[in-house]
Amino acid sequence: NAGVTQTPKFQVLKTGQSMTLQCAQDMNHNSMYWYRQDPGMGLRLIYYSASEGTTDKGEVPNGYNVSRLNKREFSLRLESAAPSQTSVYFCASSESWGTQETQYFGPGTRLLVL
Amino acid sequence: DAKTTQPPSMDCAEGRAANLPCNHSTISGNEYVYWYRQIHSQGPQYIIHGLKNNETNEMASLIITEDRKSSTLILPHATLRDTAVYYCIVRVVGATNKLIFGTGTLLAVQP
Repeated sequence: NAGVTQTPKFQVLKTGQSMTLQCAQDMNHNSMYWYRQDPGMGLRLIYYSASEGTTDKGEVPNGYNVSRLNKREFSLRLESAAPSQTSVYFCASSESWGTQETQYFGPGTRLLVL
Repeated sequence: DAKTTQPPSMDCAEGRAANLPCNHSTISGNEYVYWYRQIHSQGPQYIIHGLKNNETNEMASLIITEDRKSSTLILPHATLRDTAVYYCIVRVVGATNKLIFGTGTLLAVQP
């Protein structure tokens, strides 16, 4: 099992450009998440999807959109990138909302917006 | 979700036990204590979690005080590969089921 995979690993954008970050998991998990991590900070939740067909905002959703394409895939889109969106983006998945649920993280996408 | 307090950094000699403390004095009865770690530039990795009983798995042990206001993560024989930022997270499994990451403790294992 590959676990949680993310593409691309690195990306440089100019202000105003758009891009989509891809995430896929092969663990048959129901729930998926997008976080961002700024230098020296903990992770902050951008959007999450409790199950296929549903998405909800997290702590910092402004400037982002998401799509839960199917059970495996959850993409994050920046429609008009801004320098404030320079960050490392992590995707995660978990089996369910149950009390024993833990999250499994991907390797991250490092994004620089100039 | 309750707030946690962790020391910003700790050192540990290789082969010795690493004891990482966490204060969560406002924890509620239905909140679990979770520990994750993040090795440099990688995604966070789940370590262990518990409600009120001490827990042990192949990676670590979690000791939760009787009043549940603090806990300690124990890595019994630290190796250089355990150098990472360790996050203590207190959370209720609720509608969002989200993890609230603080700034964690940077554990540096010294040779």
